[in-house]
Amino acid sequence: GPKVLQIPSHQIIDMGQMVTLNCDPVSNHLYFYWYKQILGQQMEFLVNFYNGKVMEKSKLFKDQFSVERPDGSYFTLKIQPTALEDSAVYFCASSFSGGSTEVFFGKGTRLTVV
Amino acid sequence: SQLAEENPWALSVHEGESVTVNCSYKTSITALQWYRQKSGEGPAQLILIRSNEREKRNGRLRATLDTSSQSSSLSITATRCEDTAVYFCATGWGANTGKLTFGHGTILRVHP
Repeated sequence: GPKVLQIPSHQIIDMGQMVTLNCDPVSNHLYFYWYKQILGQQMEFLVNFYNGKVMEKSKLFKDQFSVERPDGSYFTLKIQPTALEDSAVYFCASSFSGGSTEVFFGKGTRLTVV
Repeated sequence: SQLAEENPWALSVHEGESVTVNCSYKTSITALQWYRQKSGEGPAQLILIRSNEREKRNGRLRATLDTSSQSSSLSITATRCEDTAVYFCATGWGANTGKLTFGHGTILRVHP
């Protein structure tokens, strides 16, 4: 079936440094999302992105976070600077439409900020 | 408080048995989705049931939706070891239901 690929699968970074998480969404999908899951907690919506713009973001999407998808390449989540509480698994997802539709998730990137 | 919550927290069955996971939610929805997440993987959608639907099937899976009580159930018949996973219900609202609200999930273990 369709796959969302996330690179890397694990990342360890020093607090205060910048990190970029990369996502290769399903090829014909138009809507892109990032979710955050802290160990032992439920997955939480961060942001969605369509037509080159952020459509909606949650309160977890701090000012240090940014997303982009330049020229149809990777959909990226950048955190600058990172903080200890950013340690989590970040899931990228995509869907063809924004309505009631199947959302495909990647396997996640485990980010550890030390 | 959680906007979507599954119960029970965990279930343990033997292969071949049937199992049901329940979900309660607190907001109006346009659709409710059931996802399964196996260890080391992202969530995979199992069933999407819209607010005007009462039941949906997908192979051994059956989902129900009761909007009056704001609850849903996911039943799995003839369980297999590979059904071992965390099961989530996720709710969405409006034109952009790609924004999903997940519960904590129910851990299901299916033993041989």
